[in-house]
Amino acid sequence: DSGVTQTPKHLITATGQRVTLRCSPRSGDLSVYWYQQSLDQGLQFLIHYYNGEERAKGNILERFSAQQFPDLHSELNLSSLELGDSALYFCASSVVSGTDTQYFGPGTRLTVL
Amino acid sequence: TQLLEQSPQFLSIQEGENLTVYCNSSSVFSSLQWYRQEPGEGPVLLVTVVTGGEVKKLKRLTFQFGDARKDSSLHITAAQPGDTGLYLCSLKNFNKFYFGSGTKLNVKP
Repeated sequence: DSGVTQTPKHLITATGQRVTLRCSPRSGDLSVYWYQQSLDQGLQFLIHYYNGEERAKGNILERFSAQQFPDLHSELNLSSLELGDSALYFCASSVVSGTDTQYFGPGTRLTVL
Repeated sequence: TQLLEQSPQFLSIQEGENLTVYCNSSSVFSSLQWYRQEPGEGPVLLVTVVTGGEVKKLKRLTFQFGDARKDSSLHITAAQPGDTGLYLCSLKNFNKFYFGSGTKLNVKP
């Protein structure tokens, strides 16, 4: 158990819908990272937040957005969902910004039908 | 184009055999991490290597960082079924993190 929690574990929805994935980092960790893992693309870095501020953006679509709240939990919002958005979404946390050591949560499996 | 290339993509071996998997980049990087991921779970960090030529050992796993800091290898001695999983290498570049596509290892009892 990494100490990072993600909810929900599974999510099934339809094309065009909007969903919110939630992540609670390890106690004391200020950085949160979001990743998408699909069969054909591997693990892709989406976005990094540190203490409520966006620090780096990766291959995140404009339909996707994220934020980190004052209590340090983070949410990833996915809208206008397409079939190709079906994937595992992972959250990771670390103590400081940009450190190489990240602790991954168990992931949310999103299925878009 | 992938920043990190891993090989082989798949590896199926018998318990007790040795194996090596590779991670290569076209760019020099300051550090590299190796992770292991089991089905349905998040990646778990195994090691971080930072110095060219560095060798780190974790029980039966030996990690090596190339002298030019563009490649790395993971060697497993006497593989066990518990080593089965997806082995990923990762590097940080300008505060963004990149992962290779991984080597899927299956160790048969």
